[in-house]
Amino acid sequence: NAGVTQTPKFQVLKTGQSMTLQCAQDMNHNSMYWYRQDPGMGLRLIYYSASEGTTDKGEVPNGYNVSRLNKREFSLRLESAAPSQTSVYFCASTNEETQYFGPGTRLLVL
Amino acid sequence: AQSVTQLGSHVSVSEGALVLLRCNYSSSVPPYLFWYVQYPNQGLQLLLKYTSAATLVKGINGFEAEFKKSETSFHLTKPSAHMSDAAEYFCAVVTGGFKTIFGAGTRLFVKA
Repeated sequence: NAGVTQTPKFQVLKTGQSMTLQCAQDMNHNSMYWYRQDPGMGLRLIYYSASEGTTDKGEVPNGYNVSRLNKREFSLRLESAAPSQTSVYFCASTNEETQYFGPGTRLLVL
Repeated sequence: AQSVTQLGSHVSVSEGALVLLRCNYSSSVPPYLFWYVQYPNQGLQLLLKYTSAATLVKGINGFEAEFKKSETSFHLTKPSAHMSDAAEYFCAVVTGGFKTIFGAGTRLFVKA
């Protein structure tokens, strides 16, 4: 039981490049989330998926898109990366109130 | 709208001293309240949660928190700090739906 896994662990992009962050969970959870973590700002919700087939915007969705591929997988795409998207990205899943987090992806946009 | 305020972005204690991390919330309905801990280069993990049962909640590693409705607080305490407690701690609130609101975090330093 791996819990929540994320790939890659670390990525460097140039401004304007695109990339997809992958997330998978093996706990049969319905809801999945993408957050970004920046110093002094806690975690801010980018997008979430309450169940397979649905996605909704969170607090900071601009510049991102998501796909809930199936119940297990929830990917986050940056179409044209900007330096302001330099951050640590966390995926999480939940079946009730408690969130289970992946180890994070550190993204640096130059 | 729900919100969470953590007082103090950094707290420093000596090993063996009391740990007190403060959290206040605002919510128009009875909340579920959480404390999560994040060790360096890791994701967050659940420390403890309040879901309207006992107001004093015990978590892992000797931590506990007390829900005080009159003060809208959910402060985290541990009687005796250990070096391994050094981490960042996040208070969070869930009030229905699927979204969790996190505080900005408090980094705990433990001095030998």
